[in-house]
Amino acid sequence: QKEVEQDPGPLSVPEGAIVSLNCTYSNSAFQYFMWYRQYSRKGPELLMYTYSSGNKEDGRFTAQVDKSSKYISLFIRDSQPSDSATYLCAVSTQGGSEKLVFGKGTKLTVNP
Amino acid sequence: GAVVSQHPSRVICKSGTSVKIECRSLDFQATTMFWYRQFPKQSLMLMATSNEGSKATYEQGVEKDKFLINHASLTLSTLTVTSAHPEDSSFYICSASAASYEQYFGPGTRLTVT
Repeated sequence: QKEVEQDPGPLSVPEGAIVSLNCTYSNSAFQYFMWYRQYSRKGPELLMYTYSSGNKEDGRFTAQVDKSSKYISLFIRDSQPSDSATYLCAVSTQGGSEKLVFGKGTKLTVNP
Repeated sequence: GAVVSQHPSRVICKSGTSVKIECRSLDFQATTMFWYRQFPKQSLMLMATSNEGSKATYEQGVEKDKFLINHASLTLSTLTVTSAHPEDSSFYICSASAASYEQYFGPGTRLTVT
């Protein structure tokens, strides 16, 4: 069983749609959870960082963590064509500045 | 946010030669730098972690004699792929951390070995 599972998609939605991206992880030692956005041929960019169960909101983005089921989600409201990218979840046992374990990434296309 | 650069952005080399990739933190001092490798349609896989002035810590399955990492200063780490082979062709990405909660990623280097 992989440490982090993420459906690679691809996922295609119309502009304005609500997007739901999800990951599961297997090790309860992971306590820090991140979502990165990666445009083609570029390095990942941090979108959201959480370390507790519950929701965290930042603009159109909401990160949700359920430690009891080892499930993390990223919701994008009012999706825009500029949101088209690959979204990677990442987990860590010691914090976002330490060793990260990434999911495969979900490729999202938002169609105008 | 903090800026991390990588050089070169793309490199093509012949099988058997060595290639050096530089990773620089431009506006902060990075106590820790990480090197990742990403194959097409795959996730980022951590290769090694390096702290300034110390030997790098390699992940299981990564050959330390093939992937030489040097972290000589708080703003520069280098990855040298020695005796490169076509199977080493990949996207290499570094990240840098200044003991905050975030790793800042470089733009990546695409290596093609012919």
